[in-house]
Amino acid sequence: GENVEQHPSTLSVQEGDSAVIKCTYSDSASNYFPWYKQELGKRPQLIIDIRSNVGEKKDQRIAVTLNKTAKHFSLHITETQPEDSAVYFCAASSNDYKLSFGAGTTVTVRA
Amino acid sequence: GAGVSQSPSNKVTEKGKDVELRCDPISGHTALYWYRQRLGQGLEFLIYFQGNSAPDKSGLPSDRFSAERTGESVSTLTIQRTQQEDSAVYLCASSLWRDQPQHFGDGTRLSIL
Repeated sequence: GENVEQHPSTLSVQEGDSAVIKCTYSDSASNYFPWYKQELGKRPQLIIDIRSNVGEKKDQRIAVTLNKTAKHFSLHITETQPEDSAVYFCAASSNDYKLSFGAGTTVTVRA
Repeated sequence: GAGVSQSPSNKVTEKGKDVELRCDPISGHTALYWYRQRLGQGLEFLIYFQGNSAPDKSGLPSDRFSAERTGESVSTLTIQRTQQEDSAVYLCASSLWRDQPQHFGDGTRLSIL
């Protein structure tokens, strides 16, 4: 089955700096890659997703890049703010529904 | 409702008891999913329902776990003879169709004493 690895497990950044989280996947048939943000005790919220027919997608301060050849994808958050502090999960799917999640990255934005 | 609704929000039970968790998907969403999230870990896929098609049960960890859904409505996840390793947050998600973004509920935090 699909195996998704996520790095780093924790990330501390100064407010205003950028944060980058990287994920690798094992199944070359994977074609859908969402990112979720989960605040403490809350539900995971979809923040951005990308399909394998594009290499990059942007939404305001958030962007995701995909390298199908290397089987990795990354989340980029620019101009970080305290409200960006949360756990971020990447996921991959090869069959349109079963998501395989990474272990999560705890992001702390220091004021 | 506006989002996926799960109940109860918290459940504490003794080892060996059966528990039933409920999920109300977003109205009109044909696909429904159950995931398990152990403390400090990512989400593990358990089961997927799509309309009246046969569910994908490949993620259920043992035969103590079962789930039902009638049509495109409420789903229940049942865990029989609970064990301490079943302690986790059980999250439900729904999507308009199988290849559409999944939207999660707040989860049920299950604690087995």
